[in-house]
Amino acid sequence: NAGVTQTPKFRILKIGQSMTLQCTQDMNHNYMYWYRQDPGMGLKLIYYSVGAGITDKGEVPNGYNVSRSTTEDFPLRLELAAPSQTSVYFCASNLPLGTNEKLFFGSGTQLSVL
Amino acid sequence: AQKVTQAQTEISVVEKEDVTLDCVYETRDTTYYLFWYKQPPSGELVFLIRRNSFDEQNEISGRYSWNFQKSTSSFNFTITASQVVDSAVYFCALSRSNTGKLIFGQGTTLQVKP
Repeated sequence: NAGVTQTPKFRILKIGQSMTLQCTQDMNHNYMYWYRQDPGMGLKLIYYSVGAGITDKGEVPNGYNVSRSTTEDFPLRLELAAPSQTSVYFCASNLPLGTNEKLFFGSGTQLSVL
Repeated sequence: AQKVTQAQTEISVVEKEDVTLDCVYETRDTTYYLFWYKQPPSGELVFLIRRNSFDEQNEISGRYSWNFQKSTSSFNFTITASQVVDSAVYFCALSRSNTGKLIFGQGTTLQVKP
């Protein structure tokens, strides 16, 4: 059982370049999320999705786009990379938080924009 | 507005000492969820506990214990007889719904010295 898988683990971009961070989960979770973690800070929500075809903005969506064409995949797109987007990106997923559910995180993608 | 405050930026203890990590939250919701996550130097996020707002029962899991007090809006985490392997950044987080849209505190870096 792989859980939440993120690729790549590390990436260096030049200012203005574009890239897609991949995230896939094999737990049939409805909800998926993208968070970013800046150095010395807690995580902040970028975008989330409550199911295939449905996405919505989180706290810090500017400069990013997402899509959710399948239950399993939730890619995050950076169109014009900026130094302010240097961060560690975490994808997460869960079922609705009932009695026993929790939020599962991927291992993160460390992105540097130079 | 919702907010999570972890006032302790860094804590340093000697192995076998007990240590308490403070977490204070703000929310107007009557139903909410509180979380603690551990982020070791390797960077992944390790789920420790989730508590519902209607369940104020304290919890103990091995050397870990959590004290949830709605009257003071606090959800503190105590490690008894700390070990070097407990060295990590610990995050407290709040969710206002049954999704995984978490609001994180800034984290407390715990260093346990041998």
